[in-house]
Amino acid sequence: GAVVSQHPSWVICKSGTSVKIECRSLDFQATTMFWYRQFPKQSLMLMATSNEGSKATYEQGVEKDKFLINHASLTLSTLTVTSAHPEDSSFYICSTQRTTNYGYTFGSGTRLTVV
Amino acid sequence: AQSVAQPEDQVNVAEGNPLTVKCTYSVSGNPYLFWYVQYPNRGLQFLLKYITGDNLVKGSYGFEAEFNKSQTSFHLKKPSALVSDSALYFCAVRDMHQAGTALIFGKGTTLSVSS
Repeated sequence: GAVVSQHPSWVICKSGTSVKIECRSLDFQATTMFWYRQFPKQSLMLMATSNEGSKATYEQGVEKDKFLINHASLTLSTLTVTSAHPEDSSFYICSTQRTTNYGYTFGSGTRLTVV
Repeated sequence: AQSVAQPEDQVNVAEGNPLTVKCTYSVSGNPYLFWYVQYPNRGLQFLLKYITGDNLVKGSYGFEAEFNKSQTSFHLKKPSALVSDSALYFCAVRDMHQAGTALIFGKGTTLSVSS
């Protein structure tokens, strides 16, 4: 089945630094990647939709300058949390869809802790 | 707008008993419906989906769900719960006619199975 590899699985960074999270589709071409954020024991909130070769579409309330999304190839999408602050600490998950079977595949998630 | 409601924050059941995790949805058109399970600090694992056809969908690990259009529900069920089923369960929806868009998730239901 479809595999999405997300790295790193966890990261601790200092306030003010930037962190990059990568999602790679290993066995298919992902023209669209979705980025979610999840607070402890809460739902997944869609942050943005990235399309290969074009600008990402951000959900209302998500700061595009803070959460930079790049989808430069059909197999790689990245989310960069810029100038991270403790309130950015969260679990970030990427997802993509294989249109052939309507299934959505999710990365294993990244636990970001900003100290 | 699409939305998913999971009315129970937590469901408690004894091992061996049947379990039900409730989900209702709202979409403007016809729905694609999904159930996922999440273990702590992990990504989402796919359980089952309803796209079209038989209203009773059978999925992984003995789970099943029944699509009820009149009640706009897609409750997750299992005839005999296992302690290892204890986890966080998410129902998700997408409008059939909005191809390429992300899944919208319910808030999640924590299932606790006691031995």
